[in-house]
Amino acid sequence: DIQMTQSPSSLSASVGDRVTITCRASQFINNYLNWYQQKPGKGPKLLIFAASSLQSGVPSRFSGSGSGTDFTLTITSLQPDDFATYYCQQTYSTPTFGQGTKVEIK
Amino acid sequence: QVQLVESGGGVVQPGRSLRLSCVASGFTFRSFGMHWVRQAPGKGLEWVAVIWYDGNNKYYADSVKGRFTISRDNSKNTLYLQMNSLRAEDTAVYYCAREAGGSSSYYLDIWGQGTLVAVSS
Repeated sequence: DIQMTQSPSSLSASVGDRVTITCRASQFINNYLNWYQQKPGKGPKLLIFAASSLQSGVPSRFSGSGSGTDFTLTITSLQPDDFATYYCQQTYSTPTFGQGTKVEIK
Repeated sequence: QVQLVESGGGVVQPGRSLRLSCVASGFTFRSFGMHWVRQAPGKGLEWVAVIWYDGNNKYYADSVKGRFTISRDNSKNTLYLQMNSLRAEDTAVYYCAREAGGSSSYYLDIWGQGTLVAVSS
């Protein structure tokens, strides 16, 4: 299986900060990379698909980039509603998720 | 509105069986592939299984292959997960999710709220 490694595992940030989360695949996955947001007690919510396409209804402060093995999720101007855990997922082969990045309030 | 609602979770002894259901509403269920994804307490997401829109193809994670069976009834807008020979490590919240996009460039755009399965003696 393809291993997905996210960094950092957690971070503390303030409202208004720019936040960057990275996801690295253990092998080439083209752009078959999705990002999800999960809040406690809830199912995940799709944010970005195909590495850089914004899901309908998701605020434009979220963006994704990358191709091949290295990917980035960026949140410009962090909002109170953005404190959550974020997961990347590859669909190049049997789907796998990263271990998650928890974004906490500083 | 577009919605997935899981049910069927509970406490079960090791070695026993359980069947989860996921009822879809607000979209044409028979047109979409469907997935099960689980999350152990305090852990990350783990993909479990997928079934194509017509039920003709099914794929499983190695951790559940031979023990779990995914199926669907398009006339009832319902997805199932039959779980046999349950183990303590199967304890998790189980989510159903709708697949969108195509081929390898797919994504899970609608998720349910999850149902908890606890395997314990």
